[in-house]
Amino acid sequence: SAVISQKPSRDICQRGTSLTIQCQVDSQVTMMFWYRQQPGQSLTLIATANQGSEATYESGFVIDKFPISRPNLTFSTLTVSNMSPEDSSIYLCSVELGTSRHYNEQFFGPGTRLTVL
Amino acid sequence: GNSVTQMEGPVTLSEEAFLTINCTYTATGYPSLFWYVQYPGEGLQLLLKATKADDKGSNKGFEATYRKETTSFHLEKGSVQVSDSAVYFCALSSYGGSQGNLIFGKGTKLSVKP
Repeated sequence: SAVISQKPSRDICQRGTSLTIQCQVDSQVTMMFWYRQQPGQSLTLIATANQGSEATYESGFVIDKFPISRPNLTFSTLTVSNMSPEDSSIYLCSVELGTSRHYNEQFFGPGTRLTVL
Repeated sequence: GNSVTQMEGPVTLSEEAFLTINCTYTATGYPSLFWYVQYPGEGLQLLLKATKADDKGSNKGFEATYRKETTSFHLEKGSVQVSDSAVYFCALSSYGGSQGNLIFGKGTKLSVKP
């Protein structure tokens, strides 16, 4: 398995500001992902964080709003830019180990609970 | 497109009761199916999985069988405990979209009373 930490665990922000969320994994992984869990909703994939290249965004999500960095195989950041109250959500990073034992499994971080006023 | 429909909660049971949380899916091809659990204040944890038809995933007394004929992956446990109180998410892996894309149901909150 993998141990994943996220910082901050929660934050309350003013509209129009930006917040950068960090995700750290205890081992090198190829695949890292960022999800959003809006209040009372299920998880939605924002993007796949690619090491050494630009992230791959899902429909409805754009780089200007959610810039992502992936400087190495153990770390990634997601920035929520120019925030509005609609961005209030839990943001989770996840990793896929790519091993046969954990084929197709994703391991999730504890999440960052963001409230935008 | 691919989707997961999950039984709406909340579900409230007494300790030692039998649990079923229904999950059905729509998918092209042969997705893998998962149940994730989110305990209060914690992140998502994989509870069990099944990668092909008729596979049964099991863990911590929970079971789910991949039924292709009914496109279902219902979660069951014979005797729940207070410690099972959590939100349960059914999910499938989608190979039609981005690699590694998991599609989740809306989650079912389970509360077990002593």
